[in-house]
Amino acid sequence: SQKIEQNSEALNIQEGKTATLTCNYTNYSPAYLQWYRQDPGRGPVFLLLIRENEKEKRKERLKVTFDTTLKQSLFHITASQPADSATYLCALERTGANNLFFGTGTRLTVIP
Amino acid sequence: EAGVAQSPRYKIIEKRQSVAFWCNPISGHATLYWYQQILGQGPKLLIQFQNNGVVDDSQLPKDRFSAERLKGVDSTLKIQPAKLEDSAVYLCASSSNKAGGEQYFGPGTRLTVT
Repeated sequence: SQKIEQNSEALNIQEGKTATLTCNYTNYSPAYLQWYRQDPGRGPVFLLLIRENEKEKRKERLKVTFDTTLKQSLFHITASQPADSATYLCALERTGANNLFFGTGTRLTVIP
Repeated sequence: EAGVAQSPRYKIIEKRQSVAFWCNPISGHATLYWYQQILGQGPKLLIQFQNNGVVDDSQLPKDRFSAERLKGVDSTLKIQPAKLEDSAVYLCASSSNKAGGEQYFGPGTRLTVT
């Protein structure tokens, strides 16, 4: 069965540094990989999507990489701010599935 | 545009009781999803609708969970009878019917079964 591992349950970094979150998956290769942010008591919010034939995607301070050989995606937040503190979820979509399989998430805390 | 609406936000019931959750997706979104999110875990897909038809319900515990989406808009998810392990947040999401489309989530219903 599909399995997604996200690095450490919790990650603490200093304000201004770059946060790097890891998403490793097994079994099937996804057509798309998405990253979501979830704040306490709220539903996840979409951040970025990367396709299987793309290596890198950027949006403002966010960058996602996708290595289908390693079966890994990295999610970077540059110049991190305390407001970036949240849980970040990666999710896979198989070809034709139009639904998502989520990882367990990484709780990021940016320390002022 | 209005987001995905869910009600109630919180519900406490005793085991073996029944409970129902309601979801109103974003207008025009053909696809609607129900997820279960247990504390400390990522959302797990329970059921996916496209319009009013079920696309995927492979992870829905059908002996106690049921869902419907009448008229292809609003949806309800029911649990009967509830078990202690059903304590979780139930999230509803919707998306346009295209591959790779982002999903829009509601705030969720936090269910506590005692």
